[in-house]
Amino acid sequence: ETGVTQTPRHLVMGMTNKKSLKCEQHLGHNAMYWYKQSAKKPLELMFVYSLEERVENNSVPSRFSPECPNSSHLFLHLHTLQPEDSALYLCASSQDRPASYNEQFFGPGTRLTVL
Amino acid sequence: DAKTTQPPSMDCAEGRAANLPCNHSTISGNEYVYWYRQIHSQGPQYIIHGLKNNETNEMASLIITEDRKSSTLILPHATLRDTAVYYCIVRPASGTYKYIFGTGTRLKVLA
Repeated sequence: ETGVTQTPRHLVMGMTNKKSLKCEQHLGHNAMYWYKQSAKKPLELMFVYSLEERVENNSVPSRFSPECPNSSHLFLHLHTLQPEDSALYLCASSQDRPASYNEQFFGPGTRLTVL
Repeated sequence: DAKTTQPPSMDCAEGRAANLPCNHSTISGNEYVYWYRQIHSQGPQYIIHGLKNNETNEMASLIITEDRKSSTLILPHATLRDTAVYYCIVRPASGTYKYIFGTGTRLKVLA
């Protein structure tokens, strides 16, 4: 257990559905991340929140909408997804400290299948 | 793009040391070398990091060459549970939130 939980662990949705992925960290960290991992591809950083403010948005389509209501929770809202969005979605957290390394702790991921 | 180069796959006999190399010839003076691993269908797990000196923890040792252009992660006594994809990442200590994961080395520990 890393202290980062994700729900659901598996999700199957149609292209017209709206669903949300949830991430919760119990580590007292102040930064949270969403990554996408497609089959046979490296992890891609999608969004970063630091102190509940979005600080990175790596050209992610608007059908993915993140939300960070507090430092412990992170959501990824999904709507009108495409089959190519099927992937493992990983959440991570870290303690953002100036001039210091910040090890990231990852959750187990949500395996998303878009039909 | 990832700033590191790793062999795509390696095998190691159970109980033997696994030595995973990484080239990072363009590393900057303020960049750390991090190692993570990802066991099948799980989230990546931090292993170790270093700047200049060799480092050791309960999981592994990290050997960084004097010119810092390459490093080696050593798992001293590999077990079957060490079978995973190992990622070598370089990043500065501050000023960015990005970890750029490459394709890593797929280590298979053989019984």
